[in-house]
Amino acid sequence: KNQVEQSPQSLIILEGKNCTLQCNYTVSPFSNLRWYKQDTGRGPVSLTIMTFSENTKSNGRYTATLDADTKQSSLHITASQLSDSASYICVVSELSSTSGTYKYIFGTGTRLKVLA
Amino acid sequence: NAGVTQTPKFQVLKTGQSMTLQCAQDMNHNSMYWYRQDPGMGLRLIYYSASEGTTDKGEVPNGYNVSRLNKREFSLRLESAAPSQTSVYFCASSDWQGPGNTIYFGEGSWLTVV
Repeated sequence: KNQVEQSPQSLIILEGKNCTLQCNYTVSPFSNLRWYKQDTGRGPVSLTIMTFSENTKSNGRYTATLDADTKQSSLHITASQLSDSASYICVVSELSSTSGTYKYIFGTGTRLKVLA
Repeated sequence: NAGVTQTPKFQVLKTGQSMTLQCAQDMNHNSMYWYRQDPGMGLRLIYYSASEGTTDKGEVPNGYNVSRLNKREFSLRLESAAPSQTSVYFCASSDWQGPGNTIYFGEGSWLTVV
């Protein structure tokens, strides 16, 4: 079972509309959570990073929220643009108790399509 | 400032052939990574190098080898390619292998094994 689940798998919205993407995780112990944007045919690019003590973080029209108690995060996109069409990937980092190193666990992503 | 550069962009191999994916970063990062991305699955770590001179297995290392040539370069080698290795491969780097560090990805290498 994937420790990072994202929903919906895909989403289509009209330009100018808002949308919210969800990320639920079971990773423990949790260190931090990132959201990445991946354009088709490109590598992922970081949007936000939050530690367990942060509830919200914004990057322009992107706002990420985190509830560490319920292990849920959301990415809200305001006033969507055609260029927002991409996959959005939630990544949770976990500290390995055996190796002492950090492991990044990637969700499968939400594919967003913004239509004119 | 190119960031993370990986080559080749596209490659078709026959089963049993070998090849090396090259990766270089110009951000003076200490840690480098190789991931693969398959449809319906999240990015999975193949190997990583926390710092120059060290390499460690990730989640799916079988069938791969890596070399941290210097601080800038981290290559991934497929010794005997199999169809199951058809995937998109991403090289990445970060300042250190730790939770507060942003991982920067290359543009990807599309590999098909027939």
